[in-house]
Amino acid sequence: KAGVTQTPRYLIKTRGQQVTLSCSPISGHRSVSWYQQTPGQGLQFLFEYFSETQRNKGNFPGRFSGRQFSNSRSEMNVSTLELGDSALYLCASSLAAGTGGLGYTFGSGTRLTVV
Amino acid sequence: GQNIDQPTEMTATEGAIVQINCTYQTSGFNGLFWYQQHAGEAPTFLSYNVLDGLEEKGRFSSFLSRSKGYSYLLLKELQMKDSASYLCAVRDGPGNTGKLIFGQGTTLQVKP
Repeated sequence: KAGVTQTPRYLIKTRGQQVTLSCSPISGHRSVSWYQQTPGQGLQFLFEYFSETQRNKGNFPGRFSGRQFSNSRSEMNVSTLELGDSALYLCASSLAAGTGGLGYTFGSGTRLTVV
Repeated sequence: GQNIDQPTEMTATEGAIVQINCTYQTSGFNGLFWYQQHAGEAPTFLSYNVLDGLEEKGRFSSFLSRSKGYSYLLLKELQMKDSASYLCAVRDGPGNTGKLIFGQGTTLQVKP
Protein backbone atom coordinates (compact mmCIF):
# COMPACT_ATOMS: atom_id res chain seq x y z
CA LYS A 1 0.00 0.00 0.00
CA ALA A 2 1.12 3.58 -0.61
CA GLY A 3 2.90 5.27 2.27
CA VAL A 4 2.46 8.73 3.70
CA THR A 5 3.01 11.34 1.00
CA GLN A 6 4.22 14.82 1.77
CA THR A 7 4.45 17.57 -0.82
CA PRO A 8 6.48 19.41 -1.75
CA ARG A 9 9.73 17.74 -0.70
CA TYR A 10 11.71 20.97 -0.74
CA LEU A 11 10.65 24.58 -0.46
CA ILE A 12 12.48 27.90 -0.28
CA LYS A 13 10.58 30.94 0.95
CA THR A 14 11.39 34.49 1.92
CA ARG A 15 10.87 35.96 5.39
CA GLY A 16 7.38 37.34 5.80
CA GLN A 17 5.80 35.02 3.24
CA GLN A 18 3.41 32.23 4.05
CA VAL A 19 3.61 28.56 3.11
CA THR A 20 1.26 25.60 2.89
CA LEU A 21 2.46 22.01 3.23
CA SER A 22 0.43 18.94 2.36
CA CYS A 23 0.25 15.45 3.85
CA SER A 24 -1.70 12.53 2.39
CA PRO A 25 -2.02 9.69 4.92
CA ILE A 26 -2.06 5.98 4.29
CA SER A 27 -5.40 4.89 2.91
CA GLY A 28 -7.77 4.23 5.80
CA HIS A 29 -5.79 6.25 8.31
CA ARG A 30 -7.85 9.06 9.78
CA SER A 31 -5.34 10.71 12.09
CA VAL A 32 -2.56 13.01 10.94
CA SER A 33 0.04 14.47 13.31
CA TRP A 34 2.57 17.13 12.39
CA TYR A 35 6.08 17.55 13.80
CA GLN A 36 8.84 20.08 13.25
CA GLN A 37 12.40 18.73 13.19
CA THR A 38 15.41 21.00 13.67
CA PRO A 39 19.01 20.11 14.59
CA GLY A 40 18.83 22.04 17.85
CA GLN A 41 15.37 21.00 19.09
CA GLY A 42 14.81 17.57 17.57
CA LEU A 43 11.21 16.67 16.71
CA GLN A 44 8.56 18.85 18.28
CA PHE A 45 4.84 18.19 18.16
CA LEU A 46 2.77 20.76 16.28
CA PHE A 47 -0.77 19.36 16.20
CA GLU A 48 -2.93 16.35 15.50
CA TYR A 49 -6.05 16.13 13.36
CA PHE A 50 -8.65 13.40 13.39
CA SER A 51 -11.89 13.39 11.42
CA GLU A 52 -11.32 17.01 10.38
CA THR A 53 -10.97 18.16 14.01
CA GLN A 54 -7.86 19.33 15.81
CA ARG A 55 -7.45 16.91 18.72
CA ASN A 56 -4.19 18.06 20.24
CA LYS A 57 -1.87 21.03 19.92
CA GLY A 58 1.77 21.71 20.79
CA ASN A 59 3.40 24.90 22.00
CA PHE A 60 3.83 26.76 18.75
CA PRO A 61 2.68 30.32 18.00
CA GLY A 62 -0.58 31.00 16.22
CA ARG A 63 1.31 31.52 12.94
CA PHE A 64 1.26 27.73 12.67
CA SER A 65 -2.12 26.33 11.75
CA GLY A 66 -3.55 23.30 10.07
CA ARG A 67 -6.64 21.62 8.80
CA GLN A 68 -7.85 18.26 7.64
CA PHE A 69 -10.17 17.45 4.81
CA SER A 70 -12.91 14.83 4.57
CA ASN A 71 -10.54 12.47 2.72
CA SER A 72 -8.12 12.73 5.70
CA ARG A 73 -5.52 14.70 3.77
CA SER A 74 -4.07 17.43 5.93
CA GLU A 75 -2.41 20.75 5.30
CA MET A 76 -0.38 22.92 7.60
CA ASN A 77 0.13 26.61 7.05
CA VAL A 78 2.81 28.90 8.41
CA SER A 79 2.22 32.63 8.02
CA THR A 80 4.71 35.49 8.31
CA LEU A 81 7.67 33.17 7.98
CA GLU A 82 10.74 33.70 10.16
CA LEU A 83 14.27 32.41 9.63
CA GLY A 84 13.80 30.12 12.62
CA ASP A 85 10.99 28.30 10.82
CA SER A 86 13.56 26.62 8.59
CA ALA A 87 13.15 22.95 9.40
CA LEU A 88 12.05 19.55 8.23
CA TYR A 89 8.30 19.23 8.68
CA LEU A 90 7.15 15.65 9.18
CA CYS A 91 3.67 14.26 9.28
CA ALA A 92 2.65 10.90 10.66
CA SER A 93 -0.59 9.07 10.02
CA SER A 94 -2.33 6.46 12.13
CA LEU A 95 -5.67 4.71 12.22
CA ALA A 96 -6.95 6.22 15.45
CA ALA A 97 -6.59 9.49 17.29
CA GLY A 98 -4.20 10.21 20.11
CA THR A 99 -2.24 7.05 19.67
CA GLY A 100 0.87 9.12 20.22
CA GLY A 101 3.17 6.92 18.25
CA LEU A 102 1.39 3.59 18.24
CA GLY A 103 0.87 2.65 14.65
CA TYR A 104 2.49 5.85 13.39
CA THR A 105 3.82 5.91 9.86
CA PHE A 106 5.91 8.95 9.07
CA GLY A 107 6.26 10.66 5.73
CA SER A 108 9.66 11.70 4.40
CA GLY A 109 8.96 15.31 5.20
CA THR A 110 9.06 18.72 3.59
CA ARG A 111 12.33 20.59 3.92
CA LEU A 112 11.50 24.28 4.34
CA THR A 113 14.23 26.89 4.04
CA VAL A 114 13.43 30.50 4.89
CA VAL A 115 15.85 33.10 3.50
CA GLY B 1 8.72 20.32 32.46
CA GLN B 2 9.35 17.85 29.69
CA ASN B 3 12.90 16.66 29.16
CA ILE B 4 14.35 13.74 27.25
CA ASP B 5 18.12 13.31 27.12
CA GLN B 6 20.22 11.10 24.91
CA PRO B 7 23.82 11.38 23.73
CA THR B 8 24.30 13.46 20.60
CA GLU B 9 26.76 11.20 18.83
CA MET B 10 28.20 7.71 19.17
CA THR B 11 30.69 5.72 17.14
CA ALA B 12 31.01 1.94 17.04
CA THR B 13 32.69 -0.75 14.97
CA GLU B 14 31.01 -3.10 12.54
CA GLY B 15 30.11 -6.37 14.26
CA ALA B 16 30.20 -4.85 17.74
CA ILE B 17 27.42 -4.06 20.23
CA VAL B 18 26.31 -0.54 21.10
CA GLN B 19 23.95 0.76 23.78
CA ILE B 20 22.18 4.09 23.35
CA ASN B 21 20.80 5.51 26.59
CA CYS B 22 17.79 7.73 27.09
CA THR B 23 16.62 9.40 30.29
CA TYR B 24 13.32 11.21 30.58
CA GLN B 25 11.36 13.51 32.86
CA THR B 26 7.84 14.08 31.60
CA SER B 27 4.59 15.16 33.18
CA GLY B 28 2.93 11.96 32.01
CA PHE B 29 4.12 8.60 30.79
CA ASN B 30 2.29 6.11 28.63
CA GLY B 31 5.05 4.33 26.76
CA LEU B 32 8.49 4.88 25.28
CA PHE B 33 9.41 4.51 21.63
CA TRP B 34 12.61 4.15 19.68
CA TYR B 35 12.75 5.23 16.05
CA GLN B 36 15.51 4.98 13.45
CA GLN B 37 16.01 7.77 10.96
CA HIS B 38 18.44 7.66 8.08
CA ALA B 39 19.55 11.02 6.69
CA GLY B 40 16.86 12.53 4.49
CA GLU B 41 14.37 9.78 5.26
CA ALA B 42 11.31 9.26 7.42
CA PRO B 43 11.69 7.96 10.97
CA THR B 44 10.83 4.28 11.18
CA PHE B 45 9.51 2.46 14.24
CA LEU B 46 11.94 0.18 16.09
CA SER B 47 10.42 -0.60 19.47
CA TYR B 48 7.82 0.26 22.08
CA ASN B 49 8.06 -0.31 25.85
CA VAL B 50 5.29 0.45 28.31
CA LEU B 51 6.19 -2.01 31.08
CA ASP B 52 9.55 -2.40 32.79
CA GLY B 53 11.92 -4.87 31.25
CA LEU B 54 13.57 -5.90 28.05
CA GLU B 55 11.92 -6.24 24.65
CA GLU B 56 13.94 -8.13 22.07
CA LYS B 57 13.43 -7.98 18.34
CA GLY B 58 16.16 -9.57 16.30
CA ARG B 59 19.40 -7.58 16.55
CA PHE B 60 17.61 -4.79 18.41
CA SER B 61 16.54 -4.78 22.05
CA SER B 62 15.03 -2.03 24.17
CA PHE B 63 14.91 -1.78 27.95
CA LEU B 64 12.73 0.35 30.21
CA SER B 65 12.86 1.27 33.89
CA ARG B 66 9.92 3.53 34.72
CA SER B 67 11.07 4.15 38.30
CA LYS B 68 14.40 5.46 37.03
CA GLY B 69 13.04 7.29 33.99
CA TYR B 70 15.53 5.37 31.89
CA SER B 71 15.63 3.38 28.69
CA TYR B 72 18.26 2.02 26.40
CA LEU B 73 18.39 0.66 22.88
CA LEU B 74 20.85 -2.16 22.31
CA LEU B 75 22.08 -2.92 18.82
CA LYS B 76 23.98 -6.16 18.30
CA GLU B 77 26.13 -7.36 15.41
CA LEU B 78 26.36 -3.86 14.04
CA GLN B 79 26.18 -3.41 10.30
CA MET B 80 27.19 -0.41 8.21
CA LYS B 81 23.53 0.19 7.37
CA ASP B 82 22.86 0.82 11.08
CA SER B 83 24.56 4.21 10.70
CA ALA B 84 21.61 6.52 11.37
CA SER B 85 20.00 8.74 13.94
CA TYR B 86 18.16 6.98 16.80
CA LEU B 87 15.28 8.86 18.36
CA CYS B 88 13.90 8.23 21.84
CA ALA B 89 10.34 9.43 22.36
CA VAL B 90 7.85 9.33 25.23
CA ARG B 91 4.11 9.22 24.83
CA ASP B 92 2.97 11.69 27.43
CA GLY B 93 -0.75 11.10 27.80
CA PRO B 94 -3.26 8.35 28.35
CA GLY B 95 -5.94 7.05 26.11
CA ASN B 96 -6.60 9.15 23.07
CA THR B 97 -4.79 12.27 24.21
CA GLY B 98 -1.21 11.13 23.83
CA LYS B 99 1.41 12.84 21.77
CA LEU B 100 5.09 12.05 21.36
CA ILE B 101 7.84 14.04 23.03
CA PHE B 102 11.18 13.40 21.37
CA GLY B 103 14.77 13.62 22.45
CA GLN B 104 17.20 15.30 20.09
CA GLY B 105 18.37 12.00 18.70
CA THR B 106 21.66 10.10 18.77
CA THR B 107 23.67 9.96 15.56
CA LEU B 108 25.39 6.59 15.37
CA GLN B 109 28.31 6.10 13.03
CA VAL B 110 29.36 2.53 12.33
CA LYS B 111 32.93 2.16 11.12
CA PRO B 112 34.46 -0.83 9.33
